[in-house]
Amino acid sequence: IVMTQSPLSLPVTPGEPASISCRSSQSLLYSNGFHYLDWYLQRPGQSPQLLIYLTSNRASGVPDRFSGSGSGTHFTLNISTVESDDVGVYYCMQALQAPWTFGQGTRVETK
Amino acid sequence: QLVESGGGLVRPGGSLRLSCVASGFSFGAYSLSWVRQSPGKGLEWISSISSRSTSIYYSDSVRGRFTISRDNAKTSLYLQMDGLRVDDTAVYFCARDRIGARPDALDLWGQGTTVTVSS
Repeated sequence: IVMTQSPLSLPVTPGEPASISCRSSQSLLYSNGFHYLDWYLQRPGQSPQLLIYLTSNRASGVPDRFSGSGSGTHFTLNISTVESDDVGVYYCMQALQAPWTFGQGTRVETK
Repeated sequence: QLVESGGGLVRPGGSLRLSCVASGFSFGAYSLSWVRQSPGKGLEWISSISSRSTSIYYSDSVRGRFTISRDNAKTSLYLQMDGLRVDDTAVYFCARDRIGARPDALDLWGQGTTVTVSS
């Protein structure tokens, strides 16, 4: 399954909202009704961390300014109000079937 | 936490064995994965193993050359890498699959270990 993110670079203004799109080459819907799409953030010099799992569930400790939505082959990560700590590279990943595959990444930087 | 080790410089065609030692959670209850990141590039999932080693998966890029294994008694995950190629140069992360009937995300990551394949 090929994952395609857009944009690949996103300049943001702290205090403003931001949105990243992720499309998959096939539906990520499993028979249990869940879409197997995750979002990760890799801050500069750090390991990736899980933000969102199963499309819209925030991982433990993730601020509620992060939200995920989508279905089928189109998914979105929204940041309601960007903070300076949110800079880094955001990746979507499909976990529907092996091999799990990541998008190319979206680099978020402050303007 | 997860702590990787075993990275280093190796010649093309050589071998390395990566280790990942876990602590602070019930290791034997979780599936685990290896993910790598080539210099300046994105993330690539390469292998996963179920909690009791009954299910193992590989990406096409490493299948037949890399072998994933685990020792639940030692709370350790391994990646035996043979036939290394220059394009295997990357930071290798071990990661824990989120617990559940069907793994769906990687919710804990190590800090990574660097593998450099060069002549």
